[in-house]
Amino acid sequence: NAGVTQTPKFQVLKTGQSMTLQCAQDMNHEYMSWYRQDPGMGLRLIHYSVGAGITDQGEVPNGYNVSRSTTEDFPLRLLSAAPSQTSVYFCASSYRDSEHFYHEQFFGPGTRLTVL
Amino acid sequence: AQSVAQPEDQVNVAEGNPLTVKCTYSVSGNPYLFWYVQYPNRGLQFLLKYITGDNLVKGSYGFEAEFNKSQTSFHLKKPSALVSDSALYFCAVRDVSSARQLTFGSGTQLTVLP
Repeated sequence: NAGVTQTPKFQVLKTGQSMTLQCAQDMNHEYMSWYRQDPGMGLRLIHYSVGAGITDQGEVPNGYNVSRSTTEDFPLRLLSAAPSQTSVYFCASSYRDSEHFYHEQFFGPGTRLTVL
Repeated sequence: AQSVAQPEDQVNVAEGNPLTVKCTYSVSGNPYLFWYVQYPNRGLQFLLKYITGDNLVKGSYGFEAEFNKSQTSFHLKKPSALVSDSALYFCAVRDVSSARQLTFGSGTQLTVLP
């Protein structure tokens, strides 16, 4: 199993450009999520999905879009990049137990994004 | 609403000494609690979790954590620290019955001195 994979590993954008961060998992997990990590602020949830066709906003959704057309893939789109979106982005997935409670998340290696 | 507090930004400990990284939480229902570790330029790795049952949870690399419901705490411990334990540690919580989201603390940088 590759686990959770993310591409690209590094990206530099100019203000106003758009791009898509890719995330895929091969563990058949229902739950997938995107976080951003900034110094001293821990991880903040951007968007999450509990299954194909179902997405919801997290703590800091503005400026980002997501879609979930398959169980495996959960891309994150930056619509018009801003310097405030300079961060490290992590994708994660999780599974549910027999009582339908979500357990620990498995994280990808991250994408380091710089917006100039 | 659920929240997590890690009161120490930095913890320093000598190699071979016991270590503790503190975490307190707030949820309206019952918690699922997690500890993760992050090494430089890497993603987060799962260490251990409390779901139910024994208050003392054992995890990877010799780490353990004690769930204390009355103090709403879930401190991470290790009897004898290694230099290789130096990393950033995150506590996280989910309200079992109501939350689809996992809330993370701000992280504690652990440095084990040789």
